[in-house]
Amino acid sequence: EPEVTQTPSHQVTQMGQEVILRCVPISNHLYFYWYRQILGQKVEFLVSFYNNEISEKSEIFDDQFSVERPDGSNFTLKIRSTKLEDSAMYFCASSEGYLTDTQYFGPGTRLTVL
Amino acid sequence: AQSVTQPDIHITVSEGASLELRCNYSYGATPYLFWYVQSPGQGLQLLLKYFSGDTLVQGIKGFEAEFKRSQSSFNLRKPSVHWSDAAEYFCAVGNNAGNMLTFGGGTRLMVKP
Repeated sequence: EPEVTQTPSHQVTQMGQEVILRCVPISNHLYFYWYRQILGQKVEFLVSFYNNEISEKSEIFDDQFSVERPDGSNFTLKIRSTKLEDSAMYFCASSEGYLTDTQYFGPGTRLTVL
Repeated sequence: AQSVTQPDIHITVSEGASLELRCNYSYGATPYLFWYVQSPGQGLQLLLKYFSGDTLVQGIKGFEAEFKRSQSSFNLRKPSVHWSDAAEYFCAVGNNAGNMLTFGGGTRLMVKP
């Protein structure tokens, strides 16, 4: 069964450093998403992406964040200058369509900012 | 703004017992509702979803959920729990644009032998 994959599984970085989290969505999917879950808190929507542009973003997704689909398979989340409060599990998801189509989630990348 | 509340943070049931996990949502229009399960070290796996039609929806692993508009609820049920059902369960509501899911805080299910 096709699945969403994410690398790395765990990333440790120093505050102020840039990080790139990588995701490979399911191959025929057209919609891509990032969510995050701070330890002990809810899963929160960050951004959705379709047709090479952001279709929706939350208040969390400020200028420090960016997303890109650099080639036909990868979908990345970049955090320009990490802060302690960026420490969280980051989930990538993809869906074939929108609205009624299921979002399939990857296993997550745990980001630890020291 | 849409929101989801899962009143029970932890639930413990005995193997073979029935299960009901509560979910209440707040959304102005017709909601798109989902239940996901997360096992340790795994991503979120969809159990079932509701968009329209029959208010009782069947999902994978023997789960079902009932949409009750009058109570703004979408409770998840299973008649007989297995030890492998121990996990964290998340209820979510989707917006009309289909771009984002809003999740509840999750309910951690523990299963006693």
